[in-house]
Amino acid sequence: GESVGLHLPTLSVQEGDNSIINCAYSNSASDYFIWYKQESGKGPQFIIDIRSNMDKRQGQRVTVLLNKTVKHLSLQIAATQPGDSAVYFCAENTGGFKTIFGAGTRLFVKA
Amino acid sequence: GAGVSQSPSNKVTEKGKDVELRCDPISGHTALYWYRQSLGQGLEFLIYFQGNSAPDKSGLPSDRFSAERTGGSVSTLTIQRTQQEDSAVYLCASSPNGGPGSPGNTIYFGEGSWLTVV
Repeated sequence: GESVGLHLPTLSVQEGDNSIINCAYSNSASDYFIWYKQESGKGPQFIIDIRSNMDKRQGQRVTVLLNKTVKHLSLQIAATQPGDSAVYFCAENTGGFKTIFGAGTRLFVKA
Repeated sequence: GAGVSQSPSNKVTEKGKDVELRCDPISGHTALYWYRQSLGQGLEFLIYFQGNSAPDKSGLPSDRFSAERTGGSVSTLTIQRTQQEDSAVYLCASSPNGGPGSPGNTIYFGEGSWLTVV
């Protein structure tokens, strides 16, 4: 069935370094991808999204890269800060309302 | 309200009892979603409401689960005869209108209702 998975369940980075969180998806019909951040005890928060007609999109300190050839999505966080520590989910959507989420990657930022 | 509001934030119930979880979406949002998140897992889609259209209930795991949305605003997720495997965080979300991916149609999540069945 359709699934969105993550290569690494946990990622530990030094404060100030760049972080890269990877995600694989299996539905080639997906046309919209989203990254969410979930802090402990809170609901997921939207970070950045990208449509399938793009391969890169930049936000504030974050960049999402999409490689449709290998069905791979990544989230890059520049100059990682302690406040970036959280679980990050990638999600995909095929144009309808049902957004499919991956299992998540926990990011630890070491001071 | 300012954000999606869910209640109760925490609920401990005995196996076999019924529970109701409430969601107040962001004012003016026509689309409402329920997701379930088990410990250390991703989000499992349960049900979606869009305006006055019939809800899509295809994600509900069993007939013990049901949801209503009254007046196009508040929603209640009901779990009958709770089982231990129902223990999870139940997340409600809303968006301005149906279909993620449309410009300005970000899904906003509530803080969740933590359900523990003992």
